[in-house]
Amino acid sequence: NAGVTQTPKFRVLKTGQSMTLLCAQDMNHEYMYWYRQDPGMGLRLIHYSVGEGTTAKGEVPDGYNVSRLKKQNFLLGLESAAPSQTSVYFCASKQTVMNTEAFFGQGTRLTVV
Amino acid sequence: SQKIEQNSEALNIQEGKTATLTCNYTNYSPAYLQWYRQDPGRGPVFLLLIRENEKEKRKERLKVTFDTTLKQSLFHITASQPADSATYLCAPSGGGSQGNLIFGKGTKLSVKP
Repeated sequence: NAGVTQTPKFRVLKTGQSMTLLCAQDMNHEYMYWYRQDPGMGLRLIHYSVGEGTTAKGEVPDGYNVSRLKKQNFLLGLESAAPSQTSVYFCASKQTVMNTEAFFGQGTRLTVV
Repeated sequence: SQKIEQNSEALNIQEGKTATLTCNYTNYSPAYLQWYRQDPGRGPVFLLLIRENEKEKRKERLKVTFDTTLKQSLFHITASQPADSATYLCAPSGGGSQGNLIFGKGTKLSVKP
């Protein structure tokens, strides 16, 4: 049982390039989340999804798009990367029942030069 | 907008003492509150969850309180050990946007031998 898996683990992009981060979970969770974590800023919610085919904006959605075409996958896209998007990105998933915990992936370290 | 404050960015204590971390929230009424631990380079890991109708919850050396009047949760680690050194994050959740999961910035705890 792998839990939550993020691909890739590391990536260096040039300004203006695009890329997609993949989050996959094998726990049949309905809810999935994308966060970014920067020094001194904590975990900030980018986008989230409460089920297949749904997405919603979080605290810092600008510059990112997401898709949830399959229940087990949540994709985070950067159409035109900027240095300000250099960060560590975490994906998480949880069940719909309110009093359940979220499970996190191992993170993706993205550098935009 | 929802706001979550954790009392300090860093807390240094001596081994064997009790560490107390504070989480305050404003502008919403969570149905429950979660605490997570994050080690450097890794994703957060769930520790404890407390519901709005629970005053206190314990798990081994951990204790969490939840005061909905003060809009505050306290997280205690008794008989602290150097292995408890990590960043601790709180996440008041539920009671608002369905599925939304936002974290405080965290408190970095250092336990000195």
